[in-house]
Amino acid sequence: DADVTQTPRNRITKTGKRIMLECSQTKGHDRMYWYRQDPGLGLQLIYYSFDVKDINKGEISDGYSVSRQAQAKFSLSLESAIPNQTALYFCATSVGADGADTQYFGPGTRLTVL
Amino acid sequence: GQNIDQPTEMTATEGAIVQINCTYQTSGFNGLFWYQQHAGEAPTFLSYNVLDGLEEKGRFSSFLSRSKGYSYLLLKELQMKDSASYLCAVRDSNYQLIWGAGTKLIIKP
Repeated sequence: DADVTQTPRNRITKTGKRIMLECSQTKGHDRMYWYRQDPGLGLQLIYYSFDVKDINKGEISDGYSVSRQAQAKFSLSLESAIPNQTALYFCATSVGADGADTQYFGPGTRLTVL
Repeated sequence: GQNIDQPTEMTATEGAIVQINCTYQTSGFNGLFWYQQHAGEAPTFLSYNVLDGLEEKGRFSSFLSRSKGYSYLLLKELQMKDSASYLCAVRDSNYQLIWGAGTKLIIKP
């Protein structure tokens, strides 16, 4: 079983619709992240959370919101989707304790906004 | 601003050696990561460097020079399955990862 799972894996929606992307992990990590990936660009951090009560904006948080429902669950919402939010979205986790604090990624959600 | 530079694409031959370079300009430095990403899949962790020098892990090695703002990933005995994008990321003074756009590596028989 995958350590980091994302649902849905693919989603097509229309401009103005609200959409939620979900991430769950069984790694027992405290830290969770949401990134988007666009062709030709590096991964861009949307939001991150270091524990259940800690939520922080990343470099491109406008138009997005998140919820950390439990240590294992971190959801990303698009309140009113727009076409330039079409991208590949990744959730990641890290333990937060070791020196490297390596991030481990989920399989991604491909979102298309028409 | 912060910047990570990698070549966009490289081509190499099966069985050969390839070196993928990464240069960075960031506000602070708290480690450099290399990830492999096959098309449409998740990035997977390859290596981590925080001190200058070479880290070897099987067919893959990663080198870091902090004074030059430079790293490279060396892949030996290339296999067809190594065809993928290779992402360089630097952790800055705010402990955020800054990502390069990735180098697409094409392996030819």
